[in-house]
Amino acid sequence: AQTVTQSQPEMSVQEAETVTLSCTYDTSENNYYLFWYKQPPSRQMILVIRQEAYKQQNATENRFSVNFQKAAKSFSLKISDSQLGDTAMYFCAFRDNNDMRFGAGTRLTVKP
Amino acid sequence: DSGVTQTPKHLITATGQRVTLRCSPRSGDLSVYWYQQSLDQGLQFLIQYYNGEERAKGNILERFSAQQFPDLHSELNLSSLELGDSALYFCASSAPRDGPSYEQYFGPGTRLTVT
Repeated sequence: AQTVTQSQPEMSVQEAETVTLSCTYDTSENNYYLFWYKQPPSRQMILVIRQEAYKQQNATENRFSVNFQKAAKSFSLKISDSQLGDTAMYFCAFRDNNDMRFGAGTRLTVKP
Repeated sequence: DSGVTQTPKHLITATGQRVTLRCSPRSGDLSVYWYQQSLDQGLQFLIQYYNGEERAKGNILERFSAQQFPDLHSELNLSSLELGDSALYFCASSAPRDGPSYEQYFGPGTRLTVT
């Protein structure tokens, strides 16, 4: 079964600085997709960024970018110029044709 | 607003009871997914329906069942409720075709409290 591991339960960063959240996964599949979701205190799940495993280029979405290392099965999220509104739980997720799994989450606090 | 609606927003019930959670997907989306999020935990995938048919199954308990109706709304039925079933239940929907590449749009969730 696919597993998704987020090894950092909590992290903090100063406003305007950069932070990287880690995620590793385990799969024997070759075709899959990876996502980062943000869950602010409102508990709404919001898609931040996604990565197709067949693409070598790392996905970027404004201040959010990923470092996708397929051989290492690593999928980290970098948040640049952190803003107070980035304070949230961040979940890494894996999906293939048959399954979707989420990591346990990293609680990120952006400090003023 | 994701376009996915869930009702009710909150539900409080007693152990042993049965409840039904309802989800309406975004207009045009054929897939509906159900997830359970216990307090301060990640999301656990329960089940997926695509155009009325069960498409994928996660760690869904036998006491739980779901269905998707011809109008594409979905219901999650939870029976013989236990204290440990208290959680936030999310519904999500994704794009008009099946496949893992389409991102899922989440509803606001239904908070279930079992007393």
